[in-house]
Amino acid sequence: GEDVEQSLFLSVREGDSSVINCTYTDSSSTYLYWYKQEPGAGLQLLTYIFSNMDMKQDQRLTVLLNKKDKHLSLRIADTQTGDSAIYFCAESPPGTYKYIFGTGTRLKVLA
Amino acid sequence: DGGITQSPKYLFRKEGQNVTLSCEQNLNHDAMYWYRQDPGQGLRLIYYSQIVNDFQKGDIAEGYSVSREKKESFPLTVTSAQKNPTAFYLCASSLLTLDTIYFGEGSWLTVV
Repeated sequence: GEDVEQSLFLSVREGDSSVINCTYTDSSSTYLYWYKQEPGAGLQLLTYIFSNMDMKQDQRLTVLLNKKDKHLSLRIADTQTGDSAIYFCAESPPGTYKYIFGTGTRLKVLA
Repeated sequence: DGGITQSPKYLFRKEGQNVTLSCEQNLNHDAMYWYRQDPGQGLRLIYYSQIVNDFQKGDIAEGYSVSREKKESFPLTVTSAQKNPTAFYLCASSLLTLDTIYFGEGSWLTVV
């Protein structure tokens, strides 16, 4: 099917690392994305990874890509209360002219 | 500032009425998209447009209509044929189709 799968909830303590996982559907997707959505707002692009990369690091964010298993993860180091939000992964299969989003993972950071 | 502006932020509709959600971008992006978001679900594509005067149905186009008369504008009309219109609607745009997309702040539509 066309479902991009994510777990619905994740709770971590402030200062710990958060790892949000995603299983996508199309191994030929060129780019894979992570977006952040705060309550009542639009989606904000956090980072993306090109399909020929295994890892990308951007300050506190680390993206890992396992193409064989079609698994994408987002690690947030030193998680802060401001990181509490819904995180969406998305893929863009070539030839489809659309993006497929996961259901989103709601991250709650406990002080 | 460059960006995508959606209006209104909150809209209430009586059953049987059509309503139009506005989306304007000043990013000079070619492609524009409308998504619907329901609680606990991912984003579902309603319509997209790659160029002016052309648009394509997405996965859930029934009960919706769009126009693309100008590059910067992509309004969405929620018609009375849409049976469950209460949702959060997100407009997005990208420089080219399948390039990184950017989102507006969303519009809440509630049927009363």
